Amino acid sequence: QVLLQESGPGLVKPSQTLSLSCTVSGGSVSHGTYYWSWVRQRPGKGLECIGYISNSGTPSYNPSLRGRLTISADTTKNQFSLKLSSVTAADTAVYYCARGQLFGEFAFDYWGQGMLVTVSS
Amino acid sequence: ETVLTQSPATLSLSPGERATLSCRASQSISNYLAWYQQKPGQAPRLLIYDTSNRATGIPARFSGSGSGTDFTLIISSLEPEDFAVYYCQQRSDRVIFGQGTRLEI
Repeated sequence: QVLLQESGPGLVKPSQTLSLSCTVSGGSVSHGTYYWSWVRQRPGKGLECIGYISNSGTPSYNPSLRGRLTISADTTKNQFSLKLSSVTAADTAVYYCARGQLFGEFAFDYWGQGMLVTVSS
Repeated sequence: ETVLTQSPATLSLSPGERATLSCRASQSISNYLAWYQQKPGQAPRLLIYDTSNRATGIPARFSGSGSGTDFTLIISSLEPEDFAVYYCQQRSDRVIFGQGTRLEI
């Protein structure tokens, strides 16, 4: 059973950097063909995949956030992290970490419980 | 840019009835699609991957079909716990989700 747990500040000021980590247990961020992902959900809205990092360390970012977003992995802690710079109120959302797997095609088979991050002064 | 459009936006049914949810892609990018269920305050849960394969632990009343641009999720006989929001998902140059269908009693 793979478990994912998000952690980080729940409140970030506008123009600052949002930083979250996801700790993985029951699996390894450096083994297997998986894509360690971040998905966000603005209040009352749908799901948006903002990016992921493969087990080889190659990141892929949603073009709408490219330039502000960095996803990285720390294999020693079995964690992966998200940094989103220059945040605005539009970045207020529940942020989920998830594991993407290539079956025939890509799907998210394990999810963290989610973390609400509010951007406000 | 590929867009996934789900219909209907809201589906009102009763327990025991059959639910048919649709997901249409603006262009054909894959014959594979995933479906998720999300209940209030919870993370999404993978129901179906590769269009028609049930994820681990998903009851047989959930089934998926389709190809190209048109995909369908069917819940054969609704249980009270099935009332939730359902999302479809594909990957092209990025991972995309439909806007969701709310299944309500």
